Amino acid sequence: AQSVTQLDSQVPVFEEAPVELRCNYSSSVSVYLFWYVQYPNQGLQLLLKYLSGSTLVKGINGFEAEFNKSQTSFHLRKPSVHISDTAEYFCAVTLTQGGSEKLVFGKGTKLTVNP
Amino acid sequence: SQTIHQWPATLVQPVGSPLSLECTVEGTSNPNLYWYRQAAGRGLQLLFYSIGIDQISSEVPQNLSASRPQDRQFILSSKKLLLSDSGFYLCAWSLGLGVYEQYFGPGTRLTVT
Repeated sequence: AQSVTQLDSQVPVFEEAPVELRCNYSSSVSVYLFWYVQYPNQGLQLLLKYLSGSTLVKGINGFEAEFNKSQTSFHLRKPSVHISDTAEYFCAVTLTQGGSEKLVFGKGTKLTVNP
Repeated sequence: SQTIHQWPATLVQPVGSPLSLECTVEGTSNPNLYWYRQAAGRGLQLLFYSIGIDQISSEVPQNLSASRPQDRQFILSSKKLLLSDSGFYLCAWSLGLGVYEQYFGPGTRLTVT
């Protein structure tokens, strides 16, 4: 069965520093991968997605992620973060089981950007 | 464009009381609909999944139930709330038919006292 591991539960960084949020997945079949962002007391917002094609995916707010099939990873990066990037980030993978169209989410990484 | 609404935004209920949370989607037809619960430090837990009216799958045994009385309306209910039902409840929709990305509502914060 598919699963997602977000290796860091909390990541503190300083403003304008680069950041990488790590995500590894396990799956024996082709997958689609997603990153979502959640600001406090709000729903999740889709940041970016990998479906096929180029392994480097660009999303909103200057974020990008790279799909690495051999390492089963989909790490999220941003070259220079802002205070407003403080939020929780969730990695998700498609669950292919019995024709269902569901996502399996990681437990989230809280990014805190300090001045 | 599509929008998703949830209400109420916050709710405080005593143990043993009933629950009804509502979710509606605008701007699309026959969406897949999902109910998730988010408890502190535990990520997102899928509770129910629906691919159409009266087609609802329960993912986790619990004292909650879901109904879909209309194509774009999804309701989460309970007859008697438990303390453990506290959490942040999120509704989401997707187009289905092989399109997997889900779009989330603003959520309902439920506190059971």
